[in-house]
Amino acid sequence: SQQGEEDPQALSIQEGENATMNCSYKTSINNLQWYRQNSGRGLVHLILIRSNEREKHSGRLRVTLDTSKKSSSLLITASRAADTASYFCATAGRGNMLTFGGGTRLMVKP
Amino acid sequence: DGGITQSPKYLFRKEGQNVTLSCEQNLNHDAMYWYRQDPGQGLRLIYYSQIVNDFQKGDIAEGYSVSREKKESFPLTVTSAQKNPTAFYLCASAPPGATNEKLFFGSGTQLSVL
Repeated sequence: SQQGEEDPQALSIQEGENATMNCSYKTSINNLQWYRQNSGRGLVHLILIRSNEREKHSGRLRVTLDTSKKSSSLLITASRAADTASYFCATAGRGNMLTFGGGTRLMVKP
Repeated sequence: DGGITQSPKYLFRKEGQNVTLSCEQNLNHDAMYWYRQDPGQGLRLIYYSQIVNDFQKGDIAEGYSVSREKKESFPLTVTSAQKNPTAFYLCASAPPGATNEKLFFGSGTQLSVL
């Protein structure tokens, strides 16, 4: 079952702009992760935020988590054409299984 | 050069045929997973294995089978019982003690029906 739902499903921006994508989930979690997938390739782990954390940074990535609203956001600052990819959130709850959302397709135009 | 290797990259199945997708890792990970991805969709868990000689069904196991005879290998067989097998199949593994914290993915196999 897919717990996470990303919003928007697709996003198109100009290079240099910031990209924000959101993830909502339904049940309690231990952590939430974001992954990136280039077309026709596997997923690459970007960042993990634990349920007791509210914000985390990694380079141009900023992730927030609001457990009261059961939502997370991924912000990519100063986007580049190479950031064009699909981005997925994944939640980890009981049982150690990750549940993936449907993804946001990001296009960054040069 | 450590990682997860999936083969083949593209695979075609005839009606009534079983096909096997290969997944090999040299990361010394205990846990391995198979996911199915349909176009424009997220990932759905088919099977997973947390230790050699043991595996569990995921959310969509019907029509699939797996084996885990070696730590490095977790092949997936798509059987003729799977009526809609066309999809992108992803294998993943996780390090010990971090099975729900970071997955490492292969580059995928695209399966199509002839």
